Amino acid sequence: EPEVTQTPSHQVTQMGQEVILRCVPISNHLYFYWYRQILGQKVEFLVSFYNNEISEKSEIFDDQFSVERPDGSNFTLKIRSTKLEDSAMYFCASSPDGTTNYGYTFGSGTRLTVV
Amino acid sequence: SQQGEEDPQALSIQEGENATMNCSYKTSINNLQWYRQNSGRGLVHLILIRSNEREKHSGRLRVTLDTSKKSSSLLITASRAADTASYFCATAPPPNFGNEKLTFGTGTRLTIIP
Repeated sequence: EPEVTQTPSHQVTQMGQEVILRCVPISNHLYFYWYRQILGQKVEFLVSFYNNEISEKSEIFDDQFSVERPDGSNFTLKIRSTKLEDSAMYFCASSPDGTTNYGYTFGSGTRLTVV
Repeated sequence: SQQGEEDPQALSIQEGENATMNCSYKTSINNLQWYRQNSGRGLVHLILIRSNEREKHSGRLRVTLDTSKKSSSLLITASRAADTASYFCATAPPPNFGNEKLTFGTGTRLTIIP
């Protein structure tokens, strides 16, 4: 069964530091996403990415956030200057066609702790 | 209520019993999906039901969708200890060009008592 792989599984960083969360989507998928889940809260959409550009982003995804597909396999989320409230579980997901007709495949997440 | 709210928030049943979780939403949808999340882990896609479907089965899972009431239910039959997890519904809006983001509900925490 193809998987979406996320690294690291857990990252602790100091407030104000930059972090990069990494994801390897399923190889034949074309649409990529980042979601986050603050402890005990809903899973929230951050950004979607298709054809090497952002196709949609939420209000959460401000100038401190950026995404990149630096090569043919990786998909990264960068937080430029982390804040305490960025502590959350971050999920990467991919989809073959973006129409959600088949559901997304999510990675197992990166737990980010900002101290 | 917000888009995608499940009830109950928590449910404990004996192993072997059936578990039913409900989801309500507010806006038009293209489809509704159910995901499972084991504690501290990723989201696993369980089943998708399209807006023109009323019922769908997958193994021990049965999903219903009532678009007139903007609600869905997930039934897990003959529950097992391994079914202990949080269950989320997620709605996809009517299609525009490209991709549609999912809006997740608040989740139901299901505990199966051996």
